[in-house]
Amino acid sequence: DQQVKQNSPSLSVQEGRISILNCDYTNSMFDYFLWYKKYPAEGPTFLISISSIKDKNEDGRFTVFLNKSAKHLSLHIVPSQPGDSAVYFCARVHEKLTFGTGTRLTIIP
Amino acid sequence: DTGVSQDPRHKITKRGQNVTFRCDPISEHNRLYWYRQTLGQGPEFLTYFQNEAQLEKSRLLSDRFSAERPKGSFSTLEIQRTEQGDSAMYLCASSLTVLGLARETQYFGPGTRLLVL
Repeated sequence: DQQVKQNSPSLSVQEGRISILNCDYTNSMFDYFLWYKKYPAEGPTFLISISSIKDKNEDGRFTVFLNKSAKHLSLHIVPSQPGDSAVYFCARVHEKLTFGTGTRLTIIP
Repeated sequence: DTGVSQDPRHKITKRGQNVTFRCDPISEHNRLYWYRQTLGQGPEFLTYFQNEAQLEKSRLLSDRFSAERPKGSFSTLEIQRTEQGDSAMYLCASSLTVLGLARETQYFGPGTRLLVL
């Protein structure tokens, strides 16, 4: 059974600093992952993706890193802004999405 | 707005009643997915369609649940004889599959929040 785990349920970061959100996964033949951001009472919003042919993917303030040997990925947000306060999910893609349990990020002004 | 839409946004029903939710995907997307999210958890896969064909169903989808996508466009998810445990956010997503690759970004609608009393 393919598992995706986000071991930190919450994270607080000062505005302007870097936010680092982590995700671990078990053995997967198809290493392709997405990060989503979710506000209360809304659907998840796609942020950024990464596949196993890359170690890093960057889009504006968002960068995702993939460490295949450690089966670990991380999302970096820099600089963090108050509007980034939300729940962040990593998800493994293979036909359907398998999500982690999410990390609630709070940006402190 | 050309995103994924869902209707209704909220539904309150009594235990034992039937409910039906609708999802309209992004128009050019050929795949449509249903997920369910409960408090403190990530969304969990229920089922998905490619065009009008239902290709996979999760074991979470009991026989009280049925989903259709009759013309390969919008989809409906029906829950019969609702139970309190069905209370959750029901999310729909769509994607465009090219050459059968399994690595497409899925775009989500706003969800339907169901409360079963």
